[in-house]
Amino acid sequence: EPEVTQTPSHQVTQMGQEVILRCVPISNHLYFYWYRQILGQKVEFLVSFYNNEISEKSEIFDDQFSVERPDGSNFTLKIRSTKLEDSAMYFCASSRGNINYGYTFGSGTRLTVV
Amino acid sequence: QKEVEQNSGPLSVPEGAIASLNCTYSDRVSQSFFWYRQYSGKSPELIMSIYSNGDKEDGRFTAQLNKASQYVSLLIRDSQPSDSATYLCAVKSNNDMRFGAGTRLTVKP
Repeated sequence: EPEVTQTPSHQVTQMGQEVILRCVPISNHLYFYWYRQILGQKVEFLVSFYNNEISEKSEIFDDQFSVERPDGSNFTLKIRSTKLEDSAMYFCASSRGNINYGYTFGSGTRLTVV
Repeated sequence: QKEVEQNSGPLSVPEGAIASLNCTYSDRVSQSFFWYRQYSGKSPELIMSIYSNGDKEDGRFTAQLNKASQYVSLLIRDSQPSDSATYLCAVKSNNDMRFGAGTRLTVKP
C-alpha cells in the first residue's frame, strides 16, 4: 500500500536553530499538508499546498514557517529560529483530491527543541 | 474560528459492546467529514468518511451525519480490545481539514 514517508523520525535541535522536516507524499497525490501535534494535545492544521503554492494556512503558520516542493517528490517544512514551544510531532499528509478525499498521514517527525 | 468538539473521554466499553463516539462542528459550510483512529505515538489513520446526511456503514463501523444539527457520530459494533485508541473527528471545508481533540476509547476484555 502506498505510504507517505517522513524523515527524520526524530530530530533534536537547539533553540534558535533552523530545521527542515522532509516528506515524500504518495506519488499520484496532488494535495499536501503539514500538521503538528504537541504531546497530549490535538492535531493542529498548519498548511495545505497545491499546484506549487500554499492554498490554506492556519494562524499558527506565521513567518517562522515555510514550505517548499523543491523537486517532483519531496515536500519540506522549514522552521526558522526554533523555540521550545515548537517541540511537537509534525505530520505530513497527502490526498488525491480536494473536497471528498481523506488524507494519508506519514508516521511523523518528533521535533525536540532544547 | 472553525471548531470541532468531541468528548475527550475516556470512554470504556466491554468487549462485544457498541461504542458510540460523537462530534459537533461550528463551520456550517463544512463539506466532508472523517473519522481517524490514532494509536498512542502513531499517526492518524483514516477509518471512515461521510459527505451526505444519513448513515454510512463499513464493516463494524457506522458513521452518521446530520448537517442541520452540525453533528457527526461513529458507532463501533462488536468492539474489540484492538479498537482501543483515540478516535479523531475531522471536518473539512475547501482545502482546510480541522481535527477535534479526540475521544479515548478503551475496550475491556
